[in-house]
Amino acid sequence: DAKTTQPNSMESNEEEPVHLPCNHSTISGTDYIHWYRQLPSQGPEYVIHGLTSNVNNRMASLAIAEDRKSSTLILHRATLRDAAVYYCILRDPNTGGFKTIFGAGTRLFVKA
Amino acid sequence: GAGVSQSPSNKVTEKGKDVELRCDPISGHTALYWYRQSLGQGLEFLIYFQGNSAPDKSGLPSDRFSAERTGGSVSTLTIQRTQQEDSAVYLCASSTRLGDNQPQHFGDGTRLSIL
Repeated sequence: DAKTTQPNSMESNEEEPVHLPCNHSTISGTDYIHWYRQLPSQGPEYVIHGLTSNVNNRMASLAIAEDRKSSTLILHRATLRDAAVYYCILRDPNTGGFKTIFGAGTRLFVKA
Repeated sequence: GAGVSQSPSNKVTEKGKDVELRCDPISGHTALYWYRQSLGQGLEFLIYFQGNSAPDKSGLPSDRFSAERTGGSVSTLTIQRTQQEDSAVYLCASSTRLGDNQPQHFGDGTRLSIL
């Protein structure tokens, strides 16, 4: 299964945008890029996913590089409630996408 | 609607005892997944179900681990003769079906502590 690489931690100021990077150089043509986040003492929560085009939803935006070997999750205005571990994962629906590999993720700290 | 429910939320038991962890998926979700998360680590995939079937059990850490699902709904993860290294948070997730891109919905996990 393809792997992803993320920075261990990042810090942001409240009300500022946050760009969380993810490298996935071994991505296959059928892998979708998914982002989840995990708040303390909770299970992971789905954030967004995409294949090739940039995606927007009420939580965040996902910018995908043209060669698909990297992507960036964008939180437009960080709040204290966005402090969490953010996971970038790859899922191939053709193979069920069930053996989803969650790495250590990026721990986002938000300063007031 | 109701999300994924796991019980118990916390379990403390002595080494060598058997434990059973329960997961109630979202109604109508045919795919169900179990993960394990050790302290400060990412999620380790354990097993998945499509309906009541678990075609691939290779992710289970040892033969002390087993899982079943009945009626296409509730799933139980059983750990026999628990060891201290089994201490972790066990997370369950469900999705509408296997093979699509719908998100996995996670419960808040069972925190298992082996003394």
